[in-house]
Amino acid sequence: QSALTQPASVSGSPGQSITISCTGTSSDVGSYNLVSWYQQHPGKAPKLMIYEVSKRPSGVSNRFSGSKSGNTASLTISGLQAEDEADYYCCSYAGSVVFGGGTKLTVL
Amino acid sequence: EVQLVESGGGLVQPGGSLRLSCAASGFTFSSYWMSWVRQAPGKGLEWVANIKQDGSEKYYVDSVKGRFTISRDNAKNSLYLQMNSLRAEDTAVYYCARGRWFGLWGQGTLVTVSS
Repeated sequence: QSALTQPASVSGSPGQSITISCTGTSSDVGSYNLVSWYQQHPGKAPKLMIYEVSKRPSGVSNRFSGSKSGNTASLTISGLQAEDEADYYCCSYAGSVVFGGGTKLTVL
Repeated sequence: EVQLVESGGGLVQPGGSLRLSCAASGFTFSSYWMSWVRQAPGKGLEWVANIKQDGSEKYYVDSVKGRFTISRDNAKNSLYLQMNSLRAEDTAVYYCARGRWFGLWGQGTLVTVSS
């Protein structure tokens, strides 16, 4: 199964909103509401930010939101803060599990 | 404290074997699917394998099928990954992760395959 497609990098200024896309196919992202997103700071383990496309685990800021349209899922971070600077990975659970290649978010 | 702690990583020669362990605590281990996810140096995340609560279903990424075996011991709250016929491309930090949504991760254990 091929990796999901994410932009290599995105950037934004504090207070702004950014969106990270995650493109799959009709066999994974498009067929199931089983997309999750992970945040990873350098040298740390990943952290679950969104699951089932748009649900937030307890303790995750409501500045993080997820959505899906067709074969593309998206993660939006509003009110950017310095601590949001990290790598972000999408993941689709459709039979087997596949991650996106990751997006490096830079807060300018 | 709710946590996962991996162990067993290290340096191994190509073709060699290694067994990783993941000790779970602070939650009902037997209630969750469990997975192994790896990350090669400077690269992204790659799912490796997962196992159902009772061990009756196991799934693997194609690149490790026939070489890696995932298992669990619910009585010991432990997850395992037996890795045989290791290759240089298996070099990575290996994480264990809880649940379908990987809601809890360990700190990872580094596996280096090199001569």
